[in-house]
Amino acid sequence: DAGVIQSPRHEVTEMGQEVTLRCKPISGHNSLFWYRQTMMRGLELLIYFNNNVPIDDSGMPEDRFSAKMPNASFSTLKIQPSEPRDSAVYFCASSLPGTGVSPLHFGNGTRLTVT
Amino acid sequence: GIQVEQSPPDLILQEGANSTLRCNFSDSVNNLQWFHQNPWGQLINLFYIPSGTKQNGRLSATTVATERYSLLYISSSQTTDSGVYFCAVYDYKLSFGAGTTVTVRA
Repeated sequence: DAGVIQSPRHEVTEMGQEVTLRCKPISGHNSLFWYRQTMMRGLELLIYFNNNVPIDDSGMPEDRFSAKMPNASFSTLKIQPSEPRDSAVYFCASSLPGTGVSPLHFGNGTRLTVT
Repeated sequence: GIQVEQSPPDLILQEGANSTLRCNFSDSVNNLQWFHQNPWGQLINLFYIPSGTKQNGRLSATTVATERYSLLYISSSQTTDSGVYFCAVYDYKLSFGAGTTVTVRA
């Protein structure tokens, strides 16, 4: 079991640029979650998918953020255009079907710095 | 949404000491997890514990769902236990508390 795999580990970009974060969930897990961690707001849920379908995107901060899950083994979180306030650690997590009935497993995160 | 409160916010321990971390939540939940975020930022599952008591080495956890709290016990603490401990609860999604920052000194 390779765990949840995120890439890149670190991303430094300039304001206005497009940023794409990637996630491969654990095989067989069909619930996928994107979280953001900042000092000010802690860990906050951005969006989650069940069977590749977005179920709740109410945590997505604004239209500059978008997430896709084209298949069961891959998801992306895109920010366009990026702003300095988007600087944070972005985590992807996955679980077996049905939120709350199995534990969440987190990737190692992507540390994003927007200058 | 559901509120998750963790206490204490910070804890400094001498190596070998025991400690208890607490998590209170405001409503009924489907489940609860404890995580350790190590100094490298990784979020490590410690326990998935809807109710009852579980033990894993020097760590153990107890959840009393009817009274809306969970406790994490660290015994014989080691410097590698340093980091932030998060409690997270499910209602329809996983909501995190603000965490307890634990520093274990040699």
